[in-house]
Amino acid sequence: QKEVEQNSGPLSVPEGAIASLNCTYSDRGSQSFFWYRQYSGKSPELIMSIYSNGDKEDGRFTAQLNKASQYVSLLIRDSQPSDSATYLCAGGYNFNKFYFGSGTKLNVKP
Amino acid sequence: GAVVSQHPSWVICKSGTSVKIECRSLDFQATTMFWYRQFPKQSLMLMATSNEGSKATYEQGVEKDKFLINHASLTLSTLTVTSAHPEDSSFYICSAWRDSNEQFFGPGTRLTVL
Repeated sequence: QKEVEQNSGPLSVPEGAIASLNCTYSDRGSQSFFWYRQYSGKSPELIMSIYSNGDKEDGRFTAQLNKASQYVSLLIRDSQPSDSATYLCAGGYNFNKFYFGSGTKLNVKP
Repeated sequence: GAVVSQHPSWVICKSGTSVKIECRSLDFQATTMFWYRQFPKQSLMLMATSNEGSKATYEQGVEKDKFLINHASLTLSTLTVTSAHPEDSSFYICSAWRDSNEQFFGPGTRLTVL
């Protein structure tokens, strides 16, 4: 059983729309969750971290965590073509190894 | 923000040779670093956890004698791919925890074994 699961996509949204990315995890004890963006051929770049239930907003990005349902989501408002990338969800324990989902490819169409 | 560097950024080598990749945390100390491998169109696969001053912890299926890890200081971990073969060609990425409980990645090293 995979520790972290994501829909591989691709998810296509028009420019200016809200992109919604979802992730589920199997280890109920996981403490830390992260969303990374990865452009083709590049290393992952940290977008958001979230540790508590609820929403966390940073600019156009909102991360949502629901520990009871074991899911994490990322909303991207006013999507731009430059947001087109693969988004990786990761979860695990504080300061310890954590597991990545397989990534969701997002295409934002101009 | 935190900066993690890797060197070299890309390397081409002949089959049977060994390749060393360095990972440095430039503006913070990292007692723990991680090494990942990523094949094209696949997600990151954790290879091992590198602990400063002690032996690395390898994930299941990763050969510790083939992928030698040395974490000699709080800012440097090295991964040596010994007797490299074409199937070892991949994108190798290191990461490090900062005390903010966020993990930052290096820019990656693309290894091509001929």
